[in-house]
This record gives sequence, C-alpha cells and structure tokens, in this order.
Amino acid sequence: DTGVSQNPRHKITKRGQNVTFRCDPISEHNRLYWYRQTLGQGPEFLTYFQNEAQLEKSRLLSDRFSAERPKGSFSTLEIQRTEQGDSAMYLCASVPIPGQGAIRQYFGPGTRLTVL
Amino acid sequence: AQSVTQLDSQVPVFEEAPVELRCNYSSSVSVYLFWYVQYPNQGLQLLLKYLSGSTLVESINGFEAEFNKSQTSFHLRKPSVHISDTAEYFCAVSANTGGFKTIFGAGTRLFVKA
Repeated sequence: DTGVSQNPRHKITKRGQNVTFRCDPISEHNRLYWYRQTLGQGPEFLTYFQNEAQLEKSRLLSDRFSAERPKGSFSTLEIQRTEQGDSAMYLCASVPIPGQGAIRQYFGPGTRLTVL
Repeated sequence: AQSVTQLDSQVPVFEEAPVELRCNYSSSVSVYLFWYVQYPNQGLQLLLKYLSGSTLVESINGFEAEFNKSQTSFHLRKPSVHISDTAEYFCAVSANTGGFKTIFGAGTRLFVKA
C-alpha cells in the first residue's frame, strides 16, 4: 500500500492556460473522488468515479473542468482556460469497494494550483 | 443533503490545557462522522471516525469525540494539548445516499501556545 499519489504537487500557470492533474489511487480501490480546497476553507466535493464511470459532478464543476478515469485506475482532472479563482489545492481520495467497513477516504497530498 | 458547521474558526489554548473543538451537522439520513487533521503544508489525515456502535471514539494520540444524535454534534476533545497538536482540524460527514462523498466543515485552527 503506497498510498494515494498526486502529480504535480505544485503548478503555477498563467490565466487562460490549460492544466491537467493526475491522481493514482491505492491499488484496487474502485472509488475515486476529487475535492477542491481554497485557503481557509474545508475541502469541497467536485466529482467521483466508481471504476471508470463518473457517477456525480458537483455544481462547482463548471464546463471548464473535466475529469476522466479511463481504465478505472488513475484519474485526470483538466481545467481549461484557467482563471485566478481556480487557484486552490486539488485533492484526490480513494476508497475500496464501498460498504460500512470501507467508508473512510484515503487522501493524497494534493496539487496546489496557482493561477497568475 | 448534509452540512457541517464548525462553530469556532480559531481556538488558541495554552500547552497542557484541555480543548474542545465543536462540530454540528445536519442530515436527513444516517451519517458517518469523521475528524481530519491537516498539519501545515501537509495533506489530510484521518484522526478518528464514528461509523456505528459506541458513541465515544478515540484516537491514538489522545483525542476523543462523542457522537450525540439528539444534538447532532460530534465535538472533539483532548484533556491536555501539546505544541505539536497545532493544526487545522476538519469535521466531516458522509452518507451512503451521496455516494459516500465527504462533506467537510470550514475547519478550526487549533493554536497551542507555550
């Protein structure tokens, strides 16, 4: 168990550029979640996958955001035409097959995005 | 839908003093409750969780939280804090009706002074 990994850890970009983040969940965890954490706030849910299916998207996820999990393993989160308001920590979490014994989410270290 | 309210944004306390971080939640269905801790420049770590059974849950580093269904609260306590407990603490809920996604409170910054 190597934990959830996220890359890159930090990303600085200029407004209007596209960025893509990657999350590698714990092996065999079939649910994967994305959250966004802005300064001084708790993480906010963005979207989640069960295997390769995206089952829910938050209203926070505008049309500029897209997430994929093509093979049910790693996931990518892309932000197009970044805005300064997109500056935040983007967190990924994974969970084994859901059930009462598998509710706890394992979080990655996050990708900190700064949009200049 | 669920929501979480952490009643204090900052809690300053002297070392070796007791502390309570307050958390209230709102939900129309049964929930699972969590406290996460985030040390400066680090990721979220699970501190403790309530899934079912005993309403008092404990962590390995001396924190405890009590689930109170009638008051919809899950306050976090520690009888004697250390400087190293300085961190941001997040209360969170999850429910199987929401795909087990986690809803977090805004956080409470615990600042332990010498």
